[in-house]
Amino acid sequence: EAGVAQSPRYKIIEKRQSVAFWCNPISGHATLYWYQQILGQGPKLLIQFQNNGVVDDSQLPKDRFSAERLKGVDSTLKIQPAKLEDSAVYLCASSLGILGPFFGQGTRLTVV
Amino acid sequence: QKEVEQNSGPLSVPEGAIASLNCTYSDRGSQSFFWYRQYSGKSPELIMFIYSNGDKEDGRFTAQLNKASQYVSLLIRDSQPSDSATYLCAVNEGGTGANNLFFGTGTRLTVIP
Repeated sequence: EAGVAQSPRYKIIEKRQSVAFWCNPISGHATLYWYQQILGQGPKLLIQFQNNGVVDDSQLPKDRFSAERLKGVDSTLKIQPAKLEDSAVYLCASSLGILGPFFGQGTRLTVV
Repeated sequence: QKEVEQNSGPLSVPEGAIASLNCTYSDRGSQSFFWYRQYSGKSPELIMFIYSNGDKEDGRFTAQLNKASQYVSLLIRDSQPSDSATYLCAVNEGGTGANNLFFGTGTRLTVIP
């Protein structure tokens, strides 16, 4: 069974630029999550989707971050404009029922 | 503010010993508890989950949950150098399942050959 796929693996941008990350969850997984992991910290939930509806986005900085999950499968996370403090690994994860979430390999974002 | 506390370590144990990793949480309503292993530069990997008080064993791993004390632990028996990683404790906000998981900062484990 294929795991959670993410791209790109690495991204370096200048502050105030925009960036987008893509995620394809494990086949059949209805729940999709985006987490932010800053170096030395545990992952922090940004947004959770159930199919194509948002379950929780309480920790998403909505003035600069947006996410969508069209057709209940793939998802994109966008940052516009980026700040230095957005430098982190962005992890996509998916789950089915009570098991999970299972993480993708992540996108390491560096904002300079 | 919900909190998940872990000793950041590093925790060093000799090969073959039992490694004991501990986690406390603040939200009494939490019902689902997860342990993830994260190798340096890699993403977290789910290794155990537990919902009920008591012990749950899976191979060399045992998760222990005490809801009254708001305490969950992970024991690794016969520790191997390949177990050297950061172990993340995650607790959900309420209800069962993986909704709205709060992660601790992780405990770094080093198994010495």
